[in-house]
Amino acid sequence: SQQGEEDPQALSIQEGENATMNCSYKTSINNLQWYRQNSGRGLVHLILIRSNEREKHSGRLRVTLDTSKKSSSLLITASRAADTASYFCATAVNSKLTFGKGITLSVRP
Amino acid sequence: KAGVTQTPRYLIKTRGQQVTLSCSPISGHRSVSWYQQTPGQGLQFLFEYFSETQRNKGNFPGRFSGRQFSNSRSEMNVSTLELGDSALYLCASSLEGVLASPLHFGNGTRLTVT
Repeated sequence: SQQGEEDPQALSIQEGENATMNCSYKTSINNLQWYRQNSGRGLVHLILIRSNEREKHSGRLRVTLDTSKKSSSLLITASRAADTASYFCATAVNSKLTFGKGITLSVRP
Repeated sequence: KAGVTQTPRYLIKTRGQQVTLSCSPISGHRSVSWYQQTPGQGLQFLFEYFSETQRNKGNFPGRFSGRQFSNSRSEMNVSTLELGDSALYLCASSLEGVLASPLHFGNGTRLTVT
């Protein structure tokens, strides 16, 4: 099974609302990264959080990491229609980066 | 800075043929990694090259191979194509490798095997 698993699989919200996405993983990690992918295109890096960090911010994005629970969350505040995309968490373990199946976020105007 | 460039954008091949995909990383990036993305299996790691050396390899058969040149450009080759090889192949470059720095992805090569 996947090292990183996102939850929920799909999320639909109204523009202006906050979106929270979760990622759980199984083994100890070097870092955890979040990426966004618009349909049929490459992934765009959002945030990298290292195993000794608990929280990071970037603009409207906030990522937390709880290594004791082996989980991370990505919060997008004040969502926009342009945030509609698939979101992936990726865990760096043993020189490999393993991606989850992704979360499909739809933001309704 | 120019982003990661993958060529070609689309490819249609027949079972049994072979294919070579190309990736030009961001200038100064020494790490190039490759991923296969399918609806069923999601994003799966193929291999990573760093300064012309393969640093790690995913769980793919030997039909999948790659190499990196002295200018950091990378190629991926798939021999004896199977229908299941149809996928979006993504390459990513990073400054220090997948463990240490963010990945910058190209837009991928969409391979269809008929």
